[in-house]
Amino acid sequence: DGGITQSPKYLFRKEGQNVTLSCEQNLNHDAMYWYRQDPGQGLRLIYYSQIVNDFQKGDIAEGYSVSREKKESFPLTVTSAQKNPTAFYLCASEGGSETQYFGPGTRLLVL
Amino acid sequence: SQQGEEDPQALSIQEGENATMNCSYKTSINNLQWYRQNSGRGLVHLILIRSNEREKHSGRLRVTLDTSKKSSSLLITASRAADTASYFCATDPSGYSTLTFGKGTMLLVSP
Repeated sequence: DGGITQSPKYLFRKEGQNVTLSCEQNLNHDAMYWYRQDPGQGLRLIYYSQIVNDFQKGDIAEGYSVSREKKESFPLTVTSAQKNPTAFYLCASEGGSETQYFGPGTRLLVL
Repeated sequence: SQQGEEDPQALSIQEGENATMNCSYKTSINNLQWYRQNSGRGLVHLILIRSNEREKHSGRLRVTLDTSKKSSSLLITASRAADTASYFCATDPSGYSTLTFGKGTMLLVSP
């Protein structure tokens, strides 16, 4: 069953805590993306990676970090420096067709 | 930065009617894409139209692109209750597949 998965579905963060959101794809896509979506808003690009071991900042990278050690995986860490982390986080991949395939999302809430 | 802006923000119609959504963007583009998002889910790609194309069809979907006016429209014909979702346009100004999304149009189709 090919696709892109994200876990967990819901994540709770305490003040000062770093949390990591998982994104895995088995589509053999080179490019992967992280977006943030706030209520009633469109998607804003956090980070993207077009190849393993390389990634670039998007429009709202402050307070976030990523790694791309494997082609299949692109985890996103929401650090304590991100003061307003409550949002819906979407991961996507793209494999040369110029269209992006999205995961089901992770909803991050602050306790 | 928000490249595309959809209009209207919300649209409510009856089953069987047509639904038209519009998207305006600011800079020159390589292509424009439309995505659909059911509530609380990831986005699903619907259709891509390139800058040298004027119209494209896919099933009940018809997309037009006017690069001189920097605008696009998505027409869903003979709508169904299952078409209820948010619809986003996304532009690729760079050609590197870093899409910029609008805020979306929320479509409600009543039985």
